[in-house]
Amino acid sequence: LAKTTQPISMDSYEGQEVNITCSHNNIATNDYITWYQQFPSQGPRFIIQGYKTKVTNEVASLFIPADRKSSTLSLPRVSLSDTAVYYCLVGDIDSNYQLIWGAGTKLIIKP
Amino acid sequence: GAVVSQHPSWVICKSGTSVKIECRSLDFQATTMFWYRQFPKQSLMLMATSNEGSKATYEQGVEKDKFLINHASLTLSTLTVTSAHPEDSSFYICSALLDRGYEQYFGPGTRLTVT
Repeated sequence: LAKTTQPISMDSYEGQEVNITCSHNNIATNDYITWYQQFPSQGPRFIIQGYKTKVTNEVASLFIPADRKSSTLSLPRVSLSDTAVYYCLVGDIDSNYQLIWGAGTKLIIKP
Repeated sequence: GAVVSQHPSWVICKSGTSVKIECRSLDFQATTMFWYRQFPKQSLMLMATSNEGSKATYEQGVEKDKFLINHASLTLSTLTVTSAHPEDSSFYICSALLDRGYEQYFGPGTRLTVT
């Protein structure tokens, strides 16, 4: 199982780009990296998933270096509604389905 | 697409009673669902893996006789908290896998308060 490490909290301002980095030094060959967002008293919501290099969708980008020992979630032009906890999960479809949740990063966006 | 619902969204029960929480995949079939528990200001903790038509797999430290899981159909899994105690008060969240994808689709959660 790949353990992940993220900053406990981050602050930013509306309109800024926010980058949250996750360390996963023991990532295995078959592991994918997935990021979720969670608002208080709600279930997590899928943001983005990747295996290597860069993945982009309509809400975020995910950057994964060649050694895959870390990944960075990039949120462009954040707004107050992006204030939430962001979780990085690593896992293999054939093993743990990415079920080990770390502490996550509490992102606070200020006006 | 890929919507998961939970019912009830919140429930208050007395100590010693049992509470059933339903998790439904509304627009897809899910052979595998997961049940999590989340205490205030903490991360999600996996309780068990629910597989349609077979017994659930419980994580270490989770009492299978206390947290009964039934996955009787491809769209419904239930978690029954038996003989509830105040320490069982928590936020219970289910998720479902779409086929063999890596992505989990989460329900909105159920807030259980045991008095």
